[in-house]
Amino acid sequence: AQSVTQLDSHVSVSEGTPVLLRCNYSSSYSPSLFWYVQHPNKGLQLLLKYTSAATLVKGINGFEAEFKKSETSFHLTKPSAHMSDAAEYFCVVTYPGGEKLTFGTGTRLTIIP
Amino acid sequence: KAGVTQTPRYLIKTRGQQVTLSCSPISGHRSVSWYQQTPGQGLQFLFEYFSETQRNKGNFPGRFSGRQFSNSRSEMNVSTLELGDSALYLCASSLLAGGSTDTQYFGPGTRLTVL
Repeated sequence: AQSVTQLDSHVSVSEGTPVLLRCNYSSSYSPSLFWYVQHPNKGLQLLLKYTSAATLVKGINGFEAEFKKSETSFHLTKPSAHMSDAAEYFCVVTYPGGEKLTFGTGTRLTIIP
Repeated sequence: KAGVTQTPRYLIKTRGQQVTLSCSPISGHRSVSWYQQTPGQGLQFLFEYFSETQRNKGNFPGRFSGRQFSNSRSEMNVSTLELGDSALYLCASSLLAGGSTDTQYFGPGTRLTVL
């Protein structure tokens, strides 16, 4: 069975400081991992995805994530937070031959001016 | 290229009624998946259609059903609405069938409120 755990339901950072959103996965197979962002009253937008190529994945808007198999983690980072980053972030897992995406419970990111 | 569109964006219904939601995927995409998002349960998979066939179904009662047309547009139907069906219903499309590493692109969702 596959699952993801987002370790923080809410993260607050000051504008201009680094962002770290944590995600651990559980999968019996080599997973594909995604981070999606959801702004209020909007659908989900793909930030980045890992599909067994480079372990450090760069996404849109300055976000990146590193796949660490030994730690079963896929944490999302950004060097400098911007007010527009305030949103909910979802870590998602699937695997080749699997049948659906499995979503984490989400992390709400608040940016303090 | 136009994104995934969902209609209507907002719906208010009463208990016992039924509702139909529509999703138009990105042109060329043959897979459409539906998700329910609620504050309590988060994002849950409802079902996926690929080339007019339901490939997979989540753990929802039979009141939830769907279909896909030859142009890949999909509809989702919920019969005998219950208060707990109030949610944001999201549709996602992808080129390939679910379970691949293909990216799913999400629509803005339909906000259903059941009174």
